[in-house]
Amino acid sequence: QKEVEQNSGPLSVPEGAIASLNCTYSDRVSQSFFWYRQYSGKSPELIMSIYSNGDKEDGRFTAQLNKASQYVSLLIRDSQPSDSATYLCAVNMWDNQGGKLIFGQGTELSVKP
Amino acid sequence: DTEVTQTPKHLVMGMTNKKSLKCEQHMGHRAMYWYKQKAKKPPELMFVYSYEKLSINESVPSRFSPECPNSSLLNLHLHALQPEDSALYLCASSQVGQGVSVAFFGQGTRLTVV
Repeated sequence: QKEVEQNSGPLSVPEGAIASLNCTYSDRVSQSFFWYRQYSGKSPELIMSIYSNGDKEDGRFTAQLNKASQYVSLLIRDSQPSDSATYLCAVNMWDNQGGKLIFGQGTELSVKP
Repeated sequence: DTEVTQTPKHLVMGMTNKKSLKCEQHMGHRAMYWYKQKAKKPPELMFVYSYEKLSINESVPSRFSPECPNSSLLNLHLHALQPEDSALYLCASSQVGQGVSVAFFGQGTRLTVV
């Protein structure tokens, strides 16, 4: 089982719609969860961080965390063509070496005008 | 300032060359990371430094040699690389604490091994 899994893409939504991105993780003790956006050829850019169960809103973005279900999601409201990118879910995981940030495979989002 | 600076932005090297990638941050972060990213794949962790000491090595081949000379700088020394090592190399930094705090990424070095 992969440590961090994301719903397969590509995901295509029309401009103005809500885009829903999902992620599950395997490590029950993980405490920190992140969503990064990555444009083609660029480095990952932090969109949201979430540490507690429930919702966290920042502008058009809402992150949702459910630790019991080991599930984290990102909603993008009023999607814009400029939101077209790959969205990476990242989870901190611990092993005997320490904490490390592990990424899911990424979901490619395309917002059509 | 949330900037992590990587140099060079692009690097082409032969399989017998020795080169170094550099990363610098001035956010006071005491954890620094090297990731490797191939096309259409997520970033893959290579090394973690915590308080200038190597804390995680994800079984990376010895042709990659990291170095953390001080709390602001991170280097990745490259020697005898293979064409399959061509990738985007990303540096990141974060605070050290319980779990992993927000990690900020540099713009990356696009490495091509010929």
